[in-house]
Amino acid sequence: DGGITQSPKYLFRKEGQNVTLSCEQNLNHDAMYWYRQDPGQGLRLIYYSQIVNDFQKGDIAEGYSVSREKKESFPLTVTSAQKNPTAFYLCASRSLGLPADTQYFGPGTRLTVL
Amino acid sequence: AQSVTQLDSQVPVFEEAPVELRCNYSSSVSVYLFWYVQYPNQGLQLLLKYLSGSTLVKGINGFEAEFNKSQTSFHLRKPSVHISDTAEYFCAVSDYGSSNTGKLIFGQGTTLQVKP
Repeated sequence: DGGITQSPKYLFRKEGQNVTLSCEQNLNHDAMYWYRQDPGQGLRLIYYSQIVNDFQKGDIAEGYSVSREKKESFPLTVTSAQKNPTAFYLCASRSLGLPADTQYFGPGTRLTVL
Repeated sequence: AQSVTQLDSQVPVFEEAPVELRCNYSSSVSVYLFWYVQYPNQGLQLLLKYLSGSTLVKGINGFEAEFNKSQTSFHLRKPSVHISDTAEYFCAVSDYGSSNTGKLIFGQGTTLQVKP
């Protein structure tokens, strides 16, 4: 089945640690996105990438880093510089073939800082 | 800059009653509009989208939405809800200029609570 997978589903981090969230897609989509979701705030864009080896900051990139070495993969690292990392993180992907093609979302990773 | 406002944070409704979830947007350019649904601890699933043409858009699970350019609104409706419709609903907008990037601006979300 084609789709987007995120792992792990739940992640616990101690303060001061960096953690990496995985996002993989087998939809052959060009673009991939990372969003952060907090209660009552909707989704906010962290980073996005339209092609391999290229990515752009979204609205809340501080304290996060990404890489795009393969088309299928777009891992997100939450660094110790992120002051309030506890949140639900969603990855999405999209084809660039047509304007406003739908973004498809993964199941999410819930990160909790202990 | 674009923005999206979902006017109700929570909407309680009884099963088989009609429901409307309200969404207003602000943009100086033409936009694409989307409604997504999120079940607890899951990702988002597209319900419907408006790109152009007919202002009444039909989606999955019996939902529909109407684009009103003069009122800058894109309200979501369902004539008869089921318990299984209990979820969080997000309205989102993307302008033509950023359509190549696919950047979406999301509203804050509306929790639909369907009661038996």
